[in-house]
Amino acid sequence: GENVEQHPSTLSVQEGDSAVIKCTYSDSASNYFPWYKQELGKRPQLIIDIRSNVGEKKDQRIAVTLNKTAKHFSLHITETQPEDSAVYFCAAGHSTSGTYKYIFGTGTRLKVLA
Amino acid sequence: DSGVTQTPKHLITATGQRVTLRCSPRSGDLSVYWYQQSLDQGLQFLIQYYNGEERAKGNILERFSAQQFPDLHSELNLSSLELGDSALYFCASRLGGAGELFFGEGSRLTVL
Repeated sequence: GENVEQHPSTLSVQEGDSAVIKCTYSDSASNYFPWYKQELGKRPQLIIDIRSNVGEKKDQRIAVTLNKTAKHFSLHITETQPEDSAVYFCAAGHSTSGTYKYIFGTGTRLKVLA
Repeated sequence: DSGVTQTPKHLITATGQRVTLRCSPRSGDLSVYWYQQSLDQGLQFLIQYYNGEERAKGNILERFSAQQFPDLHSELNLSSLELGDSALYFCASRLGGAGELFFGEGSRLTVL
């Protein structure tokens, strides 16, 4: 069935270091891959997304890469700051039965240590 | 502010009871998605509606049901509640197709 695996489940980095979170999806029809950040007690918010016709996308300190052949995509955060501490979710989206469906990964709790 | 409104924000009830969670999507959005987030867990997809019609189902229990009304607001009904149903229930909306999902602030349900 449809599944998105996300690793690691927790990640601690020193301020200024880089953080990488990886996801693997199962449905080859997936063509949209967003990343959401959820701060404690708040709603998930989109931070970056990538579509299947693009291999890499960057927005300041955040970048996402996509390997369609391997069905892998990754989030890269450089020069991490304490405010980057949150839970990050990847998702894979695809069209099905005349609608669009999003399957989320299990989340990665990122801690940036000052 | 995402423009998606969920009520109530918090709800405490007892096992065996029934509750209704309400979601008003962003103005103009036709798609509404419901997700369940248990403590320290991921976002489990429950169900999706598009312009009043059910379009996709995820891991939604038979005790749960939902609908989307002509004014596009949606309600998630949870019945015969169990302790394990305690969770944060998110509604998200978008116009349709691929793109950003706009999440509400969630409804936190506690079953005692």
